[in-house]
Amino acid sequence: ETGVTQSPTHLIKTRGQQVTLRCSSQSGHNTVSWYQQALGQGPQFIFQYYREEENGRGNFPPRFSGLQFPNYSSELNVNALELDDSALYLCASSTGQGRNTIYFGEGSWLTVV
Amino acid sequence: QKEVEQDPGPLSVPEGAIVSLNCTYSNSAFQYFMWYRQYSRKGPELLMYTYSSGNKEDGRFTAQVDKSSKYISLFIRDSQPSDSATYLCAIGAFQGAQKLVFGQGTRLTINP
Repeated sequence: ETGVTQSPTHLIKTRGQQVTLRCSSQSGHNTVSWYQQALGQGPQFIFQYYREEENGRGNFPPRFSGLQFPNYSSELNVNALELDDSALYLCASSTGQGRNTIYFGEGSWLTVV
Repeated sequence: QKEVEQDPGPLSVPEGAIVSLNCTYSNSAFQYFMWYRQYSRKGPELLMYTYSSGNKEDGRFTAQVDKSSKYISLFIRDSQPSDSATYLCAIGAFQGAQKLVFGQGTRLTINP
């Protein structure tokens, strides 16, 4: 049990729609990252939030956006959904930069039809 | 060239065997190295992490890092059927965001 919780666990959306995924980080962790894991692949870094500011972004288009709240929980928003957005979306939390471990939640399975 | 290369397998071994899982990486700026285990349709579970070259042992698991060769390994001794999962190596740098770069994952099956 990592203490990182994500919701919803599964959802199905139609191409062109928008989706919001939520994450509660482990207690004491002020850094949240989001990853996309396509079937049969390793997770890919989308972006990271540290103390409510985005402080790093992977190779994802602007329709992938996020928020971090004062309690360090976070949201991932994806607009104009495409079929290729179907994947497991993982939230990870840690205590910040430097030497510390990174724990993942169980993920949200998104299917775009 | 991918930043992290990992043989996707699948790898199938008998119970009790020693398993060796490997990754290579290309960027010498990487400074921390993690291994995650992922069961089907679940999130990755952190198994081991290390920041330096050499070996780190935790029970049946040993993580090995060779920074000069840009090569990391995970050894599993006395493998059990419950070890059957996908194993992901993940590598990161200390500068800036804590971005992990993952290998593709190796699917491992331990046969009773």
